[in-house]
Amino acid sequence: AQKVTQAQTEISVVEKEDVTLDCVYETRDTTYYLFWYKQPPSGELVFLIRRNSFDEQNEISGRYSWNFQKSTSSFNFTITASQVVDSAVYFCALSEYGTDKLIFGTGTRLQVFP
Amino acid sequence: ETGVTQTPRHLVMGMTNKKSLKCEQHLGHNAMYWYKQSAKKPLELMFVYSLEERVENNSVPSRFSPECPNSSHLFLHLHTLQPEDSALYLCASSQSPTSYNEQFFGPGTRLTVL
Repeated sequence: AQKVTQAQTEISVVEKEDVTLDCVYETRDTTYYLFWYKQPPSGELVFLIRRNSFDEQNEISGRYSWNFQKSTSSFNFTITASQVVDSAVYFCALSEYGTDKLIFGTGTRLQVFP
Repeated sequence: ETGVTQTPRHLVMGMTNKKSLKCEQHLGHNAMYWYKQSAKKPLELMFVYSLEERVENNSVPSRFSPECPNSSHLFLHLHTLQPEDSALYLCASSQSPTSYNEQFFGPGTRLTVL
């Protein structure tokens, strides 16, 4: 069965701190895709990144970086030098090959204080 | 208008009312989705449409009735709802309903059922 676990329900940091959001997934498929979305207070989910199961290279985009480790079924997200505008709920999601479903975790609420 | 828009943004209705939620995507996508987001629960996929045909109904009660008249518009017709149906209803679209494609979300309709 597919499942995504985001054990951290809420994280609070002070601006300029680094913060890592954890994501652990379960799937029996060998081909799958992992996503991160950001949901700011305005409500819409904003796509951040997609990784496929065959690409374990870490990715960096500005202050954002992602660490994908198949050995531990984890796809963690790190924000470096956090800013107040990073405050949002962040969702990790899984999609198995050949399906049209995105399985979401329960989200991690990040609050960045000035 | 750009991206995915949803109207109304907020809706309060009684259990005997009939109302409709509207979603419009301006991205030229072929797939559209309805999700329900309740507090402290993962996003729940409700319906998937591909080229105006429903391809997924995720065991949603019949008091929720979707309609997709064309690939740019998606409606969710509501009747005789229950208070536990109060939630944020999110619409999304993607190039096609495959596991690879990221989904683009609207800002949601915050529904309160009295």
